[in-house]
Amino acid sequence: AQSVAQPEDQVNVAEGNPLTVKCTYSVSGNPYLFWYVQYPNRGLQFLLKYITGDNLVKGSYGFEAEFNKSQTSFHLKKPSALVSDSALYFCAVRDVTGGSYIPTFGRGTSLIVHP
Amino acid sequence: DGGITQSPKYLFRKEGQNVTLSCEQNLNHDAMYWYRQDPGQGLRLIYYSQIVNDFQKGDIAEGYSVSREKKESFPLTVTSAQKNPTAFYLCASSEIGQGAFFGPGTRLTVL
Repeated sequence: AQSVAQPEDQVNVAEGNPLTVKCTYSVSGNPYLFWYVQYPNRGLQFLLKYITGDNLVKGSYGFEAEFNKSQTSFHLKKPSALVSDSALYFCAVRDVTGGSYIPTFGRGTSLIVHP
Repeated sequence: DGGITQSPKYLFRKEGQNVTLSCEQNLNHDAMYWYRQDPGQGLRLIYYSQIVNDFQKGDIAEGYSVSREKKESFPLTVTSAQKNPTAFYLCASSEIGQGAFFGPGTRLTVL
């Protein structure tokens, strides 16, 4: 079985400050991990993914995420937040060895960046 | 441009009426998916398809039906059996096991 948790419904940060959006996962094998962003009334946009290799993954719009196997986490980070980063963020996981190619999505975290 | 399109953007349905949501992709992806999004509940998988003429039920398939007659098309029908169909519907496609590309969504409202 595979599952993903986003423990925060909402994250508030001031513009220019670093931001972190948390994600933890559970799989029986090895994970593929993904982050997506959704702006109001739009589809999801792919930000970045971890498949294998370097634990620090860099993605679109200055975002990065760190894969931590011991803590089963894949937190999304950005060094300096912009007001335009305000959106809904989804983490997703797929168990590579679990036989399913369908990712499981978290419930989403609303990021609000204040001017 | 390569991408995935959904139509219509907004759809209104009367009680007891079936409606069909369109999803087309020109990315040559084998896999296609339909998700339902409700506030605070994230994305829930309705149906998915790995190959033409084959599809599988997701977590909330009751009251929905799909077809996959062509690789690029994966329409979703919301039937009158779906008791609470008002939601935002998202279609996606991917190479098997890779990150998904999402369409812009269709917002369905029951009158």
